[in-house]
Order: sequence, then structure tokens, then C-alpha cells
Amino acid sequence: DAKTTQPNSMESNEEEPVHLPCNHSTISGTDYIHWYRQLPSQGPEYVIHGLTSNVNNRMASLAIAEDRKSSTLILHRATLRDAAVYYCILRGRNNYGQNFVFGPGTRLSVLP
Amino acid sequence: NAGVTQTPKFQVLKTGQSMTLQCAQDMNHEYMSWYRQDPGMGLRLIHYSVGAGITDQGEVPNGYNVSRSTTEDFPLRLLSAAPSQTSVYFCASSSRTGVTDTQYFGPGTRLTVL
Repeated sequence: DAKTTQPNSMESNEEEPVHLPCNHSTISGTDYIHWYRQLPSQGPEYVIHGLTSNVNNRMASLAIAEDRKSSTLILHRATLRDAAVYYCILRGRNNYGQNFVFGPGTRLSVLP
Repeated sequence: NAGVTQTPKFQVLKTGQSMTLQCAQDMNHEYMSWYRQDPGMGLRLIHYSVGAGITDQGEVPNGYNVSRSTTEDFPLRLLSAAPSQTSVYFCASSSRTGVTDTQYFGPGTRLTVL
């Protein structure tokens, strides 16, 4: 299975943009890139996903490199509520049933 | 919709005791799964089910049993609790297992085994 690599931790100031990187150099052509986040003492929640094109939703934007070997989750204006662990996950057609592999993720701290 | 619910929120067991962690979803999802999360780690898949009557093992199934008699419920049974099973347990569900389908997670059960 293709793996992802993320920094252990990042820090941001409140109301500033945050760019969370993810490397996935062994991604296959049919793997989707998903991002989930886990707020303190809660279960993970879906943020965004994409295949090749950049994606936007009300929570965040996902920028995918042209060669798809890396991607960046963008929070346009970080708030204190965005402090969480962010997971970058690849989901492919070969992962039937076991299609979520959570690494340690990136712990984002947001400073007031 | 309540989404995915888990009970209890907290549980303390003694080594060798057995118990069942409950998970229910009201979204008519076919796919349900159980994960454990140890301190500072990501989630690891224990067992999953693609529909009523169908279950399979994940990455760390030893010491746990599951069954799926209804679409809504997916209980996780600890047969003989061990300190190594001290963890936070999350249940999740999704409508299908497609590559774009979102998983919805419950709030977790924090289990301590003494």
C-alpha cells in the first residue's frame, strides 16, 4: 500500500493561512487523497478529498501536485477550533475493506 | 440523525474480565469498522464489516471478536482483557467502501485495563 509522510507538528497564528503538507511518492494512479482531522477527545472527521484537480469546500482547500506525489491541505484562516491532528490518507481500489490507514498525522497548534 | 454512537464513554476493567463495547449508527450504512488508538499514535483497524452477517479482520484483531446481526449495530467484544488493550476505541461507518466514500466516526470509548 502507498504510504504518506507528514510533519509531526506545525504551529500557526490565529486568522492566518495554514499549509499542511503530505508526501505520497508511491501513490498509484487510482488512489484518492483524503484528509481527516481529529479534534481533542473526539473521533476523526472528514475534511476533504481529491484525485488530481485542486478541490475546495467550506472547511478547506486541497492542492495536489501535478505529479500527484504530494499534496497540501490549506486552511485559509486558522481559528482556535482548527487545533487538531490532521491525517492525510490514500484510498485505493485495492484496499477493499481496509481502506483507511491512519499514520500519526500532523498536530496543528493555533496560537491566539 | 444521531450518527455513530458508542457506549460506554469510559470503562475500567481488571485483567481477565470480558466486556462488550457497543456501536450503533442510524444512517443505514453498510460498512462499519472498529479502530483502536494508542497514545500519540494513529488509528489501527481491528475488525470491519461490509454488511449484516459479514465480518473480517483488520490489522490488529487478536483478543477481539465482532458480529453483525443487524445493519445498525456492530459490537466489539473483548474476550479476556489485558493491559495491552488499554486504548481509545473508535467505531466508524460509511455507506459503501468506495474510494470516495466518507467514514463517520463515533466519539470513542476510553478503556483502561488494570
